[in-house]
Amino acid sequence: GAGVSQTPSNKVTEKGKYVELRCDPISGHTALYWYRQSLGQGPEFLIYFQGTGAADDSGLPNDRFFAVRPEGSVSTLKIQRTERGDSAVYLCASSLTAAHEQYFGPGTRLTVT
Amino acid sequence: AQTVTQSQPEMSVQEAETVTLSCTYDTSESDYYLFWYKQPPSRQMILVIRQEAYKQQNATENRFSVNFQKAAKSFSLKISDSQLGDAAMYFCAYRVISSGSARQLTFGSGTQLTVLP
Repeated sequence: GAGVSQTPSNKVTEKGKYVELRCDPISGHTALYWYRQSLGQGPEFLIYFQGTGAADDSGLPNDRFFAVRPEGSVSTLKIQRTERGDSAVYLCASSLTAAHEQYFGPGTRLTVT
Repeated sequence: AQTVTQSQPEMSVQEAETVTLSCTYDTSESDYYLFWYKQPPSRQMILVIRQEAYKQQNATENRFSVNFQKAAKSFSLKISDSQLGDAAMYFCAYRVISSGSARQLTFGSGTQLTVLP
């Protein structure tokens, strides 16, 4: 079956602009995670969805970051007023439930110029 | 808070030889999972092996095995008969088991493995 997909694969934007990153999880997976991976580092947790609700958003760095999952499937990570420090690979993962193995997408590389 | 430390930013191994990647972690939890993930240049994070903390037996998956020392909070990965396709960034990761939490993964900073022909 299809794995986790993320679009776009790469995104270049100017400082101050708004961006949206999309994640399509594996069908039937109720848990969805967003991670951010800065250059040379391991991924860091941003937010966790169980179904439609953001059950844990403790990893979001500030209020410029927001994520939604309105129908319990596709999720969108939204970044307002982008800064150069937001440049990173944004990874999405989904799992059947939070107790199960997480499957990762290929990530979106965001570059803020 | 849980932390995961990988003290080897880079490692190299000759093809067909054995290499061991190190990982230590810190947690106050008694039940948790530990993982090794492989990330090639494609960025796709691939699960290599998983260890449940309550199991004393070390996990093995074909050429990959772990040395899990719970008291020392150490979790190393051994790759036997290294192949060119094993070249990648390897991440050690931790996750709690307890319900009621997000159970997100906490990753180390990674070890870049080069396999020499």
